Amino acid sequence: EAQVTQNPRYLITVTGKKLTVTCSQNMNHEYMSWYRQDPGLGLRQIYYSMNVEVTDKGDVPEGYKVSRKEKRNFPLILESPSPNQTSLYFCASSPVPPGYREQYFGPGTRLTVT
Amino acid sequence: RKEVEQDPGPFNVPEGATVAFNCTYSNSASQSFFWYRQDCRKEPKLLMSVYSSGNEDGRFTAQLNRASQYISLLIRDSKLSDSATYLCVVNINNDMRFGAGTRLTVKP
Repeated sequence: EAQVTQNPRYLITVTGKKLTVTCSQNMNHEYMSWYRQDPGLGLRQIYYSMNVEVTDKGDVPEGYKVSRKEKRNFPLILESPSPNQTSLYFCASSPVPPGYREQYFGPGTRLTVT
Repeated sequence: RKEVEQDPGPFNVPEGATVAFNCTYSNSASQSFFWYRQDCRKEPKLLMSVYSSGNEDGRFTAQLNRASQYISLLIRDSKLSDSATYLCVVNINNDMRFGAGTRLTVKP
């Protein structure tokens, strides 16, 4: 089944404790991205990757890191989480940059930072 | 001003009703447009792309008005299963801008 998976789905952590949210897609898509979704705001892009070893900042990259060592995986790293990073996070992929193609989203990771 | 604005709703309609949502965007250089559907606490899924000439997919009709910079989504004969949040998405050079969504509840 073609899909985007994320782990963990739910995470409660404390300020400053490094964490990684994994994202994997099995569709051989070149383009992957991370979004956060907060009440009253649209999804905002954190980082994106056009291909292996090619990553770039989105609108809200502060406090996040990513890597793209393999085509299928695109982990999101929070080196020192803070309460303002409490949010719902989605990973997405598409075969090409998403301007004219559907993006496929993972099921989401709900992160709470206390 | 937000780049993509939607009426947050909620829209509460009876089954069988016709309901329309609008979405306005601020950047005239926007190149392509989409409607995504998001069920509660789940991932967004593409509902339909929006073409300049307007397009229809079953009970759903999407239209684009570039002069006024808005897109619309019309749902005819609403079903209970249409209850969801509808996200307007605007593409500017592969930079996807999401609206905050319009919530629809269809009641028996």
